[in-house]
Amino acid sequence: EAGVTQFPSHSVIEKGQTVTLRCDPISGHDNLYWYRRVMGKEIKFLLHFVKESKQDESGMPNNRFLAERTGGTYSTLKVQPAELEDSGVYFCASSQLGAGTADTQYFGPGTRLTVL
Amino acid sequence: ELKVEQNPLFLSMQEGKNYTIYCNYSTTSDRLYWYRQDPGKSLESLFVLLSNGAVKQEGRLMASLDTKARLSTLHITAAVHDLSATYFCAVDEGTYKYIFGTGTRLKVLA
Repeated sequence: EAGVTQFPSHSVIEKGQTVTLRCDPISGHDNLYWYRRVMGKEIKFLLHFVKESKQDESGMPNNRFLAERTGGTYSTLKVQPAELEDSGVYFCASSQLGAGTADTQYFGPGTRLTVL
Repeated sequence: ELKVEQNPLFLSMQEGKNYTIYCNYSTTSDRLYWYRQDPGKSLESLFVLLSNGAVKQEGRLMASLDTKARLSTLHITAAVHDLSATYFCAVDEGTYKYIFGTGTRLKVLA
């Protein structure tokens, strides 16, 4: 069974540019999450989809970040325009069950974003 | 707000030695997860601890959970080089959000 995949693995852009990150969850997983790790700090929650619906986007830093999951399959996270502080590793995770249950989240390898 | 503290941040140890990584959290929770990450790779699920007193073991790693003390430990027995990685604990309050510790970068020296 394929795991969570993310593309690209690395992205280097200049301040002010736009970047789109993609995540393909494990097949059959309705729950998809985005997390971010900045400057070696803790991994922080960004948002959660159930199928195509956003359940919680309380962790999104600001309105320069836009996440979508059209059709309830893969998801994209767009940063527009990118700022220096957006640099970090963006992780995607998926799980089968939902809130209120103990369900392991399976993580992708992350996309390392560098904003110059 | 739930906070998770993990220590140490860095750990360099000799092969064959034992050591423990600690994960403290600030609010009531009985769901705790341990992950391992190799450089450039996914976070790999190691243990899921779901109740007070839970203990799980896999090879040279053993994890335990004390919900009253709000503490989980990851014990390494007779370390080998292959265990070198970054280890994360994460706590789930009963929602879908994981709150992570800062990670422990473990280096096992031959």
